[in-house]
Amino acid sequence: QAVVTQEPSLTVSPGGTVTLTCGSSTGAVTSGHYPYWFQQKPGQAPRTLIYDTSNKHSWTPDRFSGYLLGGKAALTLSGAQPEDEAEYYCLLCHNGARLWVFGGGTKLTVL
Amino acid sequence: QVQLQESGPGLVKPSETLSLTCTVSGGSVSSGSHYWSWTRQPPGEGLEWIGYISYSGSTSYNPSLQSRVTISVDTSKNHFSLILTSVTTADTAVYYCARTSAAGGYWGRGTLVTVSS
Repeated sequence: QAVVTQEPSLTVSPGGTVTLTCGSSTGAVTSGHYPYWFQQKPGQAPRTLIYDTSNKHSWTPDRFSGYLLGGKAALTLSGAQPEDEAEYYCLLCHNGARLWVFGGGTKLTVL
Repeated sequence: QVQLQESGPGLVKPSETLSLTCTVSGGSVSSGSHYWSWTRQPPGEGLEWIGYISYSGSTSYNPSLQSRVTISVDTSKNHFSLILTSVTTADTAVYYCARTSAAGGYWGRGTLVTVSS
């Protein structure tokens, strides 16, 4: 079964920029994996930030952007705010979208 | 805007069957090219995909749970359901339902299910 890998933890300074990545054990991540990014704060349900690699919901702050980088899916936060401190999960769809796999999550600290 | 709400027993005994329902409002489970999915999160851990039922009625499940899981849709009640059989304490988790498609992803608030005698 595919394993999806994320950085366990990252720290960014307020106003700074950070990139989270999402890789697959099966090879390069492509748009065919329909990468999703979710934000989860303690005690809350996950919230979709990015879908299909780079699409944003109406509630997604402009400072978040999703794209493919070096065979991985990536989420960049530009101009970090204290409220961006959260756990971030990616989701990749494998096997023609019949097998969905979450990454282990990245705990982002804004400090 | 679509909203989803999970419901079901908060406590299930070991070896019994867990049954949850996700009620959809602001949209129909029978329209659009959507995937209706279940995901769970054990206390203090990450997200685990359980499975989905698609707009065409096809299902797909996590291989690690496939032998115990069934996801179905009831269009008359505009909800979809999760059945997980032969539960153990390892199935204790917050269970989330979601709608996923080319239009994005919408999640319910989740419901905690504890497996304990």
